[in-house]
Amino acid sequence: KAGVTQTPRYLIKTRGQQVTLSCSPISGHRSVSWYQQTPGQGLQFLFEYFSETQRNKGNFPGRFSGRQFSNSRSEMNVSTLELGDSALYLCASSVDRNTDTQYFGPGTRLTVL
Amino acid sequence: KNEVEQSPQNLTAQEGEFITINCSYSVGISALHWLQQHPGGGIVSLFMLSSGKKKHGRLIATINIQEKHSSLHITASHPRDSAVYICAPTYGNKLVFGAGTILRVKS
Repeated sequence: KAGVTQTPRYLIKTRGQQVTLSCSPISGHRSVSWYQQTPGQGLQFLFEYFSETQRNKGNFPGRFSGRQFSNSRSEMNVSTLELGDSALYLCASSVDRNTDTQYFGPGTRLTVL
Repeated sequence: KNEVEQSPQNLTAQEGEFITINCSYSVGISALHWLQQHPGGGIVSLFMLSSGKKKHGRLIATINIQEKHSSLHITASHPRDSAVYICAPTYGNKLVFGAGTILRVKS
């Protein structure tokens, strides 16, 4: 069974731009969660989608948004990028995050200049 | 007050040693995850538990709901166990992460 894939793996943007990251979950997994990891704040929960609906959201500004498609693939978007958005963005999929192990993708390393 | 406290922050062990990493959390949880992150960023979920004890190979995770405490044990440690170990309690639908324990196992 193929693992969780994320594209792109590396991305460089400038302040003010927007970015879209993609996550393809393991086949059969309906829950996709997004996380941000920075050296200063560690891992933080962004949001979770389940069956195309945002089920949970962390404490991030509205510039961070996401969506999930009918095939469970998910995208997250960050608008008006700031330097502090430079981070590793990880997605994880599970059958249901509340009851099952999550499987993490390799992450997208975003650098904002 | 941090919702999740992990200890120790850094740990260096000799190959073969028994290792314990501790995690304390502040309020009731629905489940707790233990994650492993190797250099380069890849994260592997080791355990998800809500009570008792789970074992997988040389890894054992325990949780005491009343004491709000969980431990991750590694028996017969090996240099390939060198990684960051992160505990992540789930409060309702919110997943909160500890700061992580950096483990280095020397041969």
